[in-house]
Amino acid sequence: AQTVTQSQPEMSVQEAETVTLSCTYDTSESNYYLFWYKQPPSRQMILVIRQEAYKQQNATENRFSVNFQKAAKSFSLKISDSQLGDTAMYFCAFVPNSGYALNFGKGTSLLVTP
Amino acid sequence: KAGVTQTPRYLIKTRGQQVTLSCSPISGHRSVSWYQQTPGQGLQFLFEYFSETQRNKGNFPGRFSGRQFSNSRSEMNVSTLELGDSALYLCASSDGGTGGLRVYGYTFGSGTRLTVV
Repeated sequence: AQTVTQSQPEMSVQEAETVTLSCTYDTSESNYYLFWYKQPPSRQMILVIRQEAYKQQNATENRFSVNFQKAAKSFSLKISDSQLGDTAMYFCAFVPNSGYALNFGKGTSLLVTP
Repeated sequence: KAGVTQTPRYLIKTRGQQVTLSCSPISGHRSVSWYQQTPGQGLQFLFEYFSETQRNKGNFPGRFSGRQFSNSRSEMNVSTLELGDSALYLCASSDGGTGGLRVYGYTFGSGTRLTVV
């Protein structure tokens, strides 16, 4: 079975500061894709960043970057220069190359304060 | 480009009834997958359709079914509703291939909030 674990149910950060959300996963697959999704109160799941397992280089999208450690099966999300609009639930998700079902973690609720 | 459209946004049903939810994917996307989101269980995969065929199925009872039409629109049906079926049902579309996952990931709709009373 493939599992995704987000160990931080809630986090808080001040505006303009940096915050890191943790995610670990368990799989026997050698190739897979990892995603971070953001779900604000509007319920819309928004793709924040994606990473392919066979790429060693960490993905970056503007203020969002990941620290991908394949051997440790770790995929953390760093948000730099946090903004009030970053307040949302953040979900780490995994999909193996052999399938198309996303496996989600339980989520981390991030609150950005002024 | 229009996003993923789910209808209706809200639904209230009585135990024992059945319900049908609809999802229209992004134009050109051939894969539609469905997820159930609850506070207790989080996000759970229901099933995925690609070119009108169910390609993957999650661990849900047979009361949950779906289908996909030739225009890639998908419907999800839940029969004999139970209180525990109350949830946010999310639909996601992708082009269906690993290339699409690599570049775009999945695009989600805003969901249908189902309340069973």
